[in-house]
Amino acid sequence: GQQVMQIPQYQHVQEGEDFTTYCNSSTTLSNIQWYKQRPGGHPVFLIQLVKSGEVKKQKRLTFQFGEAKKNSSLHITATQTTDVGTYFCAGDDGGSQGNLIFGKGTKLSVKP
Amino acid sequence: NAGVTQTPKFQVLKTGQSMTLQCAQDMNHEYMSWYRQDPGMGLRLIHYSVGAGITDQGEVPNGYNVSRSTTEDFPLRLLSAAPSQTSVYFCASSYLVSPTNEQFFGPGTRLTVL
Repeated sequence: GQQVMQIPQYQHVQEGEDFTTYCNSSTTLSNIQWYKQRPGGHPVFLIQLVKSGEVKKQKRLTFQFGEAKKNSSLHITATQTTDVGTYFCAGDDGGSQGNLIFGKGTKLSVKP
Repeated sequence: NAGVTQTPKFQVLKTGQSMTLQCAQDMNHEYMSWYRQDPGMGLRLIHYSVGAGITDQGEVPNGYNVSRSTTEDFPLRLLSAAPSQTSVYFCASSYLVSPTNEQFFGPGTRLTVL
């Protein structure tokens, strides 16, 4: 079945450093979504990427979708303590009635 | 709009007990789903529904039942709780057809089975 791998599992950074998490799918995706989960909270939608090679920015966050639509990345520039949480990618292969396959997430901690 | 609501927030069960986790949404979403979240395992799909009267199994359905009698409600039933079902359970909903099929998650139910 479809698998979505996400690395790294954990990332510890000093405030002000950059952070990147990577997502790879075993199959071609119709779209990929990114979610953020704060400690003790629930996942919250950040963005959806649909087009091959797409790049989207949200303030200090940059999201990329690979040319083959099998990989994606989230890059945070100059991390802040408010960025703490777990970031999940979720792939939609377009054939499973809207079901998403989630990566295991990257847990980001930021030292002030 | 309340969004997606879940009850209870916390629950402790003994092995063999049964219970129902409640989920409701007021956004008229067709799609509803249940996930469980375990440390290091991400979110795994238990069951999902694409509309009232329609349900299907996800990745980890064993030990759980669901029903969808209305668009708004999607309860998850644990038939005979086992310690392996200790987890955080999230309900989510979304439109089936929209510019983004963004999933809206409820606040979660933290379940411990002793």
